Amino acid sequence: AQSVTQLDSQVPVFEEAPVELRCNYSSSVSVYLFWYVQYPNQGLQLLLKYLSGSTLVKGINGFEAEFNKSQTSFHLRKPSVHISDTAEYFCAVTRRNNDMRFGAGTRLTVKP
Amino acid sequence: DAGVIQSPRHEVTEMGQEVTLRCKPISGHNSLFWYRQTMMRGLELLIYFNNNVPIDDSGMPEDRFSAKMPNASFSTLKIQPSEPRDSAVYFCASSLALTGKMNTEAFFGQGTRLTVV
Repeated sequence: AQSVTQLDSQVPVFEEAPVELRCNYSSSVSVYLFWYVQYPNQGLQLLLKYLSGSTLVKGINGFEAEFNKSQTSFHLRKPSVHISDTAEYFCAVTRRNNDMRFGAGTRLTVKP
Repeated sequence: DAGVIQSPRHEVTEMGQEVTLRCKPISGHNSLFWYRQTMMRGLELLIYFNNNVPIDDSGMPEDRFSAKMPNASFSTLKIQPSEPRDSAVYFCASSLALTGKMNTEAFFGQGTRLTVV
């Protein structure tokens, strides 16, 4: 069975500090991996995706993620966060049957 | 393209009533997903269509829920009869899956906030 685990439900951080949001997946086959962001009362918006190739993926708003196959992880990072990064972040995987499954989400709160 | 369009944005209904949520995917996309988002359960995949055919409906909570995709540009999610525990935000998403390839990105609508009282 496919599952996505986001290890932290809430991450508070001060403005301009670095942040890492953790994501682990369970799969014995190749998958595609994604990070989405959801602002209040909005739909989900793609931040970045890993399909193949370089394991370090850069996305919008200064975010990046690293695919680690041996650790089955796809952690999201940003070296310096802004107040405007406050949102809910979701890790997701696409399975061979083409459905897309999401983690429980991590609420990032950036404090001044 | 205007993106994935969902209607209505908000729906308040009484327990026992039928509720129909609507979705217009992005033109040219061949995969469509219905998700339900709640505080308790997060973002759950309810059903997934490919080329208008339901591929996986294992996430549909019970027989009160049904989904249809009569053509490539329209899908509905129906709850009959509705119950207070169905209150949630329902999202529709679409993507383009090339033959033999996996979906590379899902585009989400703004969601329908359903409240059953």
